Amino acid sequence: DQQVKQNSPSLSVQEGRISILNCDYTNSMFDYFLWYKKYPAEGPTFLISISSIKDKNEDGRFTVFLNKSAKHLSLHIVPSQPGDSAVYFCAASGGAGGTSYGKLTFGQGTILTVHP
Amino acid sequence: KAGVTQTPRYLIKTRGQQVTLSCSPISGHRSVSWYQQTPGQGLQFLFEYFSETQRNKGNFPGRFSGRQFSNSRSEMNVSTLELGDSALYLCASSFVPGRAYEQYFGPGTRLTVT
Repeated sequence: DQQVKQNSPSLSVQEGRISILNCDYTNSMFDYFLWYKKYPAEGPTFLISISSIKDKNEDGRFTVFLNKSAKHLSLHIVPSQPGDSAVYFCAASGGAGGTSYGKLTFGQGTILTVHP
Repeated sequence: KAGVTQTPRYLIKTRGQQVTLSCSPISGHRSVSWYQQTPGQGLQFLFEYFSETQRNKGNFPGRFSGRQFSNSRSEMNVSTLELGDSALYLCASSFVPGRAYEQYFGPGTRLTVT
């Protein structure tokens, strides 16, 4: 049962344009969402997060939008740069019980390629 | 400040063998979690440790086990290895438990089972 889904395995974008990565979740108990960036042979690196009490969080070129009613979140990267090329994972935390916040449930990842 | 370190970085084992992977958290971090990354299943949570106690466990068979030492270092063990255990095993640490959103990941151990 895939509780967090990233339906696009890959995304190709031109440098300077906007990259939009999407993520859907099914568990309505999730209340904290994160995006990670991962290069080959490295661990995931935290990018940006959002709590369920917000619908938008911005950090520099990165903005995360959360639509709780649709159980959907998206990551916008503007402008996209070739160095942004990596695998992007969305993850969710929370649910029933206090210990659930110690566990991240990840999507399958989206490979972003930004062409110069 | 040094990041999360994992040893070894690469490992090749034969089916049926057992393996132990090690993780040293960031200095001051007392909670350690383990994740498995495979092409088919993505990143999946294995377990979380704090104060030498397992706080949380994912849906993995009993062949997967772990422990944490008094210095917060952690090891995970996989017994009777199967081909499907080939994966990147990631360790993440955080200052306190129950804050997965504050985890920092190590580079991982790439395990290949032949």
